[in-house]
Amino acid sequence: GAVVSQHPSWVICKSGTSVKIECRSLDFQATTMFWYRQFPKQSLMLMATSNEGSKATYEQGVEKDKFLINHASLTLSTLTVTSAHPEDSSFYICSARTGARSTGELFFGEGSRLTVL
Amino acid sequence: LAKTTQPISMDSYEGQEVNITCSHNNIATNDYITWYQQFPSQGPRFIIQGYKTKVTNEVASLFIPADRKSSTLSLPRVSLSDTAVYYCLVGEENTGFQKLVFGTGTRLLVSP
Repeated sequence: GAVVSQHPSWVICKSGTSVKIECRSLDFQATTMFWYRQFPKQSLMLMATSNEGSKATYEQGVEKDKFLINHASLTLSTLTVTSAHPEDSSFYICSARTGARSTGELFFGEGSRLTVL
Repeated sequence: LAKTTQPISMDSYEGQEVNITCSHNNIATNDYITWYQQFPSQGPRFIIQGYKTKVTNEVASLFIPADRKSSTLSLPRVSLSDTAVYYCLVGEENTGFQKLVFGTGTRLLVSP
């Protein structure tokens, strides 16, 4: 199947710094990518939908100035957690879709664990 | 908006067949039903997808009744390595974007 890669897989940073997480589709072009956040023992929570060449669409309650999403190419989307605080510590997962069907061919990255000290 | 409901957890033993049912009463006509498996600290992994009736692949079967308001993931002869969280998803459409929303998932524990 298609491969989606995230980098870094884990990162530790100090409070107040910004952290960038990359999501790449390695063998296909992804016009749409999705960013999720997952806290321990909880389900994935959709944060935003990232579309190549346009602004991301954020879910209700997700601060767009806090979580900057850039989808500059068909194979790369980035999530930047700005001025990170301990409560931003979480597992961040991206996904990308290859097909046009609403649920089809959705592939997930390995996830990126962020720990803010 | 489409929403799914699954049991929070299930227990099983090695070698048994496990059936996890998901309710999706508001599924849209064009939506497919997809199941994912997630191990701790990993991204979800695709298991199976279907639209109606029955779909089978090398790891699971998916049963979907005619009204499509529910679906059942069947895992034959589970092993310890099948211990994971299983998510049932249907598509959502909002202002032209097609996104997926995860429900609570079912935490399956397989014991020796």
